[in-house]
Amino acid sequence: DAEITQSPRHKITETGRQVTLACHQTWNHNNMFWYRQDLGHGLRLIHYSYGVHDTNKGEVSDGYSVSRSNTEDLPLTLESAASSQTSVYFCASSDPGRGAGNEQFFGPGTRLTVL
Amino acid sequence: QKEVEQDPGPLSVPEGAIVSLNCTYSNSAFQYFMWYRQYSRKGPELLMYTYSSGNKEDGRFTAQVDKSSKYISLFIRDSQPSDSATYLCAIHGSSNTGKLIFGQGTTLQVKP
Repeated sequence: DAEITQSPRHKITETGRQVTLACHQTWNHNNMFWYRQDLGHGLRLIHYSYGVHDTNKGEVSDGYSVSRSNTEDLPLTLESAASSQTSVYFCASSDPGRGAGNEQFFGPGTRLTVL
Repeated sequence: QKEVEQDPGPLSVPEGAIVSLNCTYSNSAFQYFMWYRQYSRKGPELLMYTYSSGNKEDGRFTAQVDKSSKYISLFIRDSQPSDSATYLCAIHGSSNTGKLIFGQGTTLQVKP
């Protein structure tokens, strides 16, 4: 079955380190998204991509970067991790021609702690 | 003002109760309205979606959109402990960007 996976599921790192969170989907969806979820804020969009070599900033993109070299993967990089980036990170994908229109399919999440 | 506002709760009800979850939004151009359900330590999953105004029913769940008031609701009848989760409203604008705007999510607990 097609799916979307994230790795690692849990990560503890230190302030200042570079961290990369992986996201892989097998639906061949063009659209991919990264969110962070924090208490009191819901899901906030970090970066998104509409296809290979396309990336766009979301509402909370400072300190994060993404690159899209193929359809299946959109890794999220924290250039220099900060304690404020402690959060749960979700990757999602969608394709307007599939599912319920603009339905996004979410991965299981990565719980990141920055000490 | 946030584009989508949702009362975060938490909301606790006894089993069998009718639950009403609500969101308000600011942009009258919004057309697609969705409800996602998120169980603890899982990713959100689409529960229901509606296009424009009106009601949509799926088993014990009813999604309602009132575009004149910019108000969307999710009703759960005969609530069950398995309905305990966080419910997020999500709205997609009129342009085909694929982006969704999420509410904060309401955490619901249904007690046996």
